[in-house]
Amino acid sequence: GESVGLHLPTLSVQEGDNSIINCAYSNSASDYFIWYKQESGKGPQFIIDIRSNMDKRQGQRVTVLLNKTVKHLSLQIAATQPGDSAVYFCAENSAQGGKLIFGQGTELSVKP
Amino acid sequence: DVKVTQSSRYLVKRTGEKVFLECVQDMDHENMFWYRQDPGLGLRLIYFSYDVKMKEKGDIPEGYSVSREKKERFSLILESASTNQTSMYLCASSLRLAGGVYNEQFFGPGTRLTVL
Repeated sequence: GESVGLHLPTLSVQEGDNSIINCAYSNSASDYFIWYKQESGKGPQFIIDIRSNMDKRQGQRVTVLLNKTVKHLSLQIAATQPGDSAVYFCAENSAQGGKLIFGQGTELSVKP
Repeated sequence: DVKVTQSSRYLVKRTGEKVFLECVQDMDHENMFWYRQDPGLGLRLIYFSYDVKMKEKGDIPEGYSVSREKKERFSLILESASTNQTSMYLCASSLRLAGGVYNEQFFGPGTRLTVL
């Protein structure tokens, strides 16, 4: 069945270092992927998305990489800051229109 | 900017009460969603709606119902609240694009519901 999962439930990095958060997906037919950031007590906030016709997309300090061969998605955060501390979710589109399937989330902790 | 608002940030109800959670979006989105979020279980879809008066069951609809009488408003109803419905409830909306193209969902701040 469809599923989206994360390799690591927690990630701790030093301020200023780069962070990489990974995500595996199982549905090879998925063609849209998205990363959300959720801070404590708040709703998820859109970070960046990517469609399957691309393998890389860059935003401000963030890059999403898509490897369709191994069904793997990653989020790279450059020069990680304390304000980046949050839970990060990946999601993929489902076969049923409009729906997204979310992963369990990775908690990123930034040490000063 | 898209804004999704939820009627309450925190709510405490008693077992057996009927509970209404309201969600309003201001960007004329066709799609609206209700999720619950529990530690270790991630976001689970309860119900969603593609248009006014339309609703579809998500993954965990039992014990819930929804109402979409106006495009901007999507209500989640707990007919008889139970303690296992204590959770964070998140509403989201998204634009319906032509050709089956997906785009992001915009989330509200969440309602933390406690059922005693």
